[in-house]
Amino acid sequence: GQNIDQPTEMTATEGAIVQINCTYQTSGFNGLFWYQQHAGEAPTFLSYNVLDGLEEKGRFSSFLSRSKGYSYLLLKELQMKDSASYLCAVMDSNYQLIWGAGTKLIIKP
Amino acid sequence: GAVVSQHPSWVICKSGTSVKIECRSLDFQATTMFWYRQFPKQSLMLMATSNEGSKATYEQGVEKDKFLINHASLTLSTLTVTSAHPEDSSFYICSARSVKGDQQETQYFGPGTRLLVL
Repeated sequence: GQNIDQPTEMTATEGAIVQINCTYQTSGFNGLFWYQQHAGEAPTFLSYNVLDGLEEKGRFSSFLSRSKGYSYLLLKELQMKDSASYLCAVMDSNYQLIWGAGTKLIIKP
Repeated sequence: GAVVSQHPSWVICKSGTSVKIECRSLDFQATTMFWYRQFPKQSLMLMATSNEGSKATYEQGVEKDKFLINHASLTLSTLTVTSAHPEDSSFYICSARSVKGDQQETQYFGPGTRLLVL
């Protein structure tokens, strides 16, 4: 079956760095997405990786290793507003998004 | 990035009534739109996939006669919750898929509609 795994919850300190991991097993692969979702709001798009390597976008970076079925989202210089759930999603061979359950990130002062 | 709007953002209705939610892609054409439901502290659950001009594809366990989806144009999809009951109270989110020249297909989400059925 298809499966996306990411930690349920993580805690980090304001100003620090945190890495949220995502492993996947899907039927086919057409890219991996990271979304941020604040409580009570819809998800917002953060990043898209389809080739191996690191994509950097400001304080956020996303890494992909297709051979390992692994990705991570790296958040630097954490701010209180980064407290949210981070969703990993993989687009399978049918171009359908398979969603992870999300990682709730708690930022402490 | 691409913008998706959803209307209304909040609905409170009586049990037994029907509620229509609109999802629009404002600055791009979306051949495919998706409808999700999210209960508090739970993951997004895909309800159905809607392709312009054809019938929606519903996920297992989602009643197509209760959740009517119409995707009449490349920028508009509607979800109608018919004969709503309190257990239908949830956060309904639509997303639209854009296709860029490099074949990247990103889903952009609407702001969501919070439905409360009394």
